Amino acid sequence: GNSVTQMEGPVTLSEEAFLTINCTYTATGYPSLFWYVQYPGEGLQLLLKATKADDKGSNKGFEATYRKETTSFHLEKGSVQVSDSAVYFCALAGYSSASKIIFGSGTRLSIRP
Amino acid sequence: KAGVTQTPRYLIKTRGQQVTLSCSPISGHRSVSWYQQTPGQGLQFLFEYFSETQRNKGNFPGRFSGRQFSNSRSEMNVSTLELGDSALYLCASSLQGSHENEQYFGPGTRLTVT
Repeated sequence: GNSVTQMEGPVTLSEEAFLTINCTYTATGYPSLFWYVQYPGEGLQLLLKATKADDKGSNKGFEATYRKETTSFHLEKGSVQVSDSAVYFCALAGYSSASKIIFGSGTRLSIRP
Repeated sequence: KAGVTQTPRYLIKTRGQQVTLSCSPISGHRSVSWYQQTPGQGLQFLFEYFSETQRNKGNFPGRFSGRQFSNSRSEMNVSTLELGDSALYLCASSLQGSHENEQYFGPGTRLTVT
């Protein structure tokens, strides 16, 4: 079945550091891929998405590229801020209405001033 | 446009009791999904409803059930509560379904079972 494997946390970085959070997936067909972010005390928010191979999703300085050859969707940001501290979830959705969305285990990110 | 609302926000129940949680989706959204979030298991899919019909179901026991009304509002019910049911329950709505549309999440209902 479909699955998502995400980099274990927590990840602690200094402000303005480069961020990478790894995400790999297993799926049949051509799933859509997502990154969601959860700030303390809130529900999840969609950060970015990609629906086909080689698509790059981007938002708020974050980027992720759908790599079918490596089945990966790594999240990157060139210069993180304290306000980026949150839990990040990689997710996968199949192409039919019968498919469920699968979330990774989440990676907690803490940014030091 | 108002976001997804969930009520109540916090709930404390005793083992063996039952509980009903409510979710009001964004206006116009026909799909509502429910998730359980715990520190140990992460975010797990419970079920998805679309136009009052359950379209998808996760791997949870029959004690977990849900329904959707004609106005797309959804409720989930957990019967015979166990300590392990303590979790944050998140509801998410989307236009046509989680497989093709962005999901918008509510703030969750924090359930504590004692």
